[in-house]
Amino acid sequence: DAGITQSPRHKVTETGTPVTLRCHQTENHRYMYWYRQDPGHGLRLIHYSYGVKDTDKGEVSDGYSVSRSKTEDFLLTLESATSSQTSVYFCAISGKANGELFFGEGSRLTVL
Amino acid sequence: GESVGLHLPTLSVQEGDNSIINCAYSNSASDYFIWYKQESGKGPQFIIDIRSNMDKRQGQRVTVLLNKTVKHLSLQIAATQPGDSAVYFCAETEDSSNTGKLIFGQGTTLQVKP
Repeated sequence: DAGITQSPRHKVTETGTPVTLRCHQTENHRYMYWYRQDPGHGLRLIHYSYGVKDTDKGEVSDGYSVSRSKTEDFLLTLESATSSQTSVYFCAISGKANGELFFGEGSRLTVL
Repeated sequence: GESVGLHLPTLSVQEGDNSIINCAYSNSASDYFIWYKQESGKGPQFIIDIRSNMDKRQGQRVTVLLNKTVKHLSLQIAATQPGDSAVYFCAETEDSSNTGKLIFGQGTTLQVKP
């Protein structure tokens, strides 16, 4: 398995609270991605990074921000969580553009 | 907008039979396609990929077919086994985007009956 660790794996929080999910990789891959997975929607890209401090928005970026201060860590932050952000979040990494993505095990977030 | 979709949400097959999972894509500029398998409670795992300069690629027990004329992708699994039970996603991207962003379909659940 690719060296990807997501934390926390499970979290329950209340509406309006901030939440940060962490993705840590040991592969020294340049590209990192955050996806959310919801029934009926498959996997949708939230944000991605193509290098340290280089990030861009995906198709469902509203309400989320990201940071990448070093190669191995990519943080996803919900500044004020809403119930619509209840989902399973997956981090993915890739060593090259337009190549295979390796996924983490997912972080299940429930916003009450 | 562009989308990647699968024709059937659920496919049920008998153990030992061949399975065919289909996917339609709408972005004619897409030139790299991947099939992923996702087991319950886990992240998606790479199965096989294909670039647009090919129309067929084979792996171990799996074959991916690409028909660019009708923008259709399929995954064939030979001699389906219980361990093949999972959700299968197709994904697409444009090489020229140089971002590695993948657009995923909604997935097909494969159920293997013993």
